[in-house]
Amino acid sequence: QQPVQSPQAVILREGEDAVINCSSSKALYSVHWYRQKHGEAPVFLMILLKGGEQKGHEKISASFNEKKQQSSLYLTASQLSYSGTYFCGTGERMNRDDKIIFGKGTRLHILP
Amino acid sequence: SQTIHQWPATLVQPVGSPLSLECTVEGTSNPNLYWYRQAAGRGLQLLFYSVGIGQISSEVPQNLSASRPQDRQFILSSKKLLLSDSGFYLCAWSRDGYEQYFGPGTRLTVT
Repeated sequence: QQPVQSPQAVILREGEDAVINCSSSKALYSVHWYRQKHGEAPVFLMILLKGGEQKGHEKISASFNEKKQQSSLYLTASQLSYSGTYFCGTGERMNRDDKIIFGKGTRLHILP
Repeated sequence: SQTIHQWPATLVQPVGSPLSLECTVEGTSNPNLYWYRQAAGRGLQLLFYSVGIGQISSEVPQNLSASRPQDRQFILSSKKLLLSDSGFYLCAWSRDGYEQYFGPGTRLTVT
């Protein structure tokens, strides 16, 4: 089941904050966040695991509400380099063989 | 350090022709390997993943197939391409099933 991301797109001015949301209809073990710049491959940003463990980018924060099966990515004091499409992916099992299902993405455009 | 290679970078193929895309990973052993397709408006669609040689899980029933003949080699194939197969194909690997590292991708246009 593909997670749902919102908003689909957002335009900000440099220095403004943004929140990108990701929700699933299934119980989750992990939430993964990636950023993709146009024409390039996605790049890992952060992973949040059930139980509170997190690993990821220093300047980006995220939350994971296990009960609501939701995650949010917080981009504060946005920079021009933050522009791109953000994908959340969800994993249902604590198993290295489990797959990640990605959402359709949120396009973020930062204006100078 | 680990490196992932994909080729070719771009490909234009007529409808009905075969397809073979190759992905190799260097610098690690026994990785999880993944094939994704990215089409406009659909995000990253998982096509196949593999946790070991000869072990392939298919996520989307279609005219594509995948094989893993060696530990660090993952191949995406088709016997007859459809127009709907056009897209950006990404290979990825993961050490622990969590953080995935993506290759540069292959842009396929079926004409």
